[in-house]
Amino acid sequence: DAKTTQPPSMDCAEGRAANLPCNHSTISGNEYVYWYRQIHSQGPQYIIHGLKNNETNEMASLIITEDRKSSTLILPHATLRDTAVYYCIVRPRRSGGGADGLTFGKGTHLIIQP
Amino acid sequence: NAGVTQTPKFRILKIGQSMTLQCTQDMNHNYMYWYRQDPGMGLKLIYYSVGAGITDKGEVPNGYNVSRSTTEDFPLRLELAAPSQTSVYFCASSYGASGRASVGTDTQYFGPGTRLTVL
Repeated sequence: DAKTTQPPSMDCAEGRAANLPCNHSTISGNEYVYWYRQIHSQGPQYIIHGLKNNETNEMASLIITEDRKSSTLILPHATLRDTAVYYCIVRPRRSGGGADGLTFGKGTHLIIQP
Repeated sequence: NAGVTQTPKFRILKIGQSMTLQCTQDMNHNYMYWYRQDPGMGLKLIYYSVGAGITDKGEVPNGYNVSRSTTEDFPLRLELAAPSQTSVYFCASSYGASGRASVGTDTQYFGPGTRLTVL
């Protein structure tokens, strides 16, 4: 699976958009970009994933560059409860058997300031 | 739906003791996973299972055993606890449909974790 690079920490003011970058310059054509987050002492929580088109759900938006070498997770109106470690993970699509664990790096510690 | 549940929440073991960490999911997921997370680090895969009766090793399986006798349960066994096994353990599950399934079915749902200390 391709490796990802994220800044170790970021601050964002409450109510503003939080933009979390991720570099995945070695991503291959069949690999998806996933985002999970981990609020202190809890299990990781799925946020969103995408292949090459931008994606949006009730939690966040995912913007993937045209060359797919980087992406940005956007939390449109950050709240204090969004303070967490955010993990960007690249993994291939699975079809037919074969589970695969997620490879978590150190992620970005996002701190929402009141 | 309770999702993925884990027991116990906390446990302290002495070196050489054994214990079983319990994991249950009520989402009828085929795939289940065990991860460990050391302080300040990301998660590492210990074992996984693609269905009842089928298990396989992950990245860090040494010192652990698993079984999968039912779809719902995936217990993790530590036979001879060592200080290096002090960690937070997370169980996860995913639908894992075979064939040309949507990749969305690979989304993993995690339990709240078990914090284990070996002294």
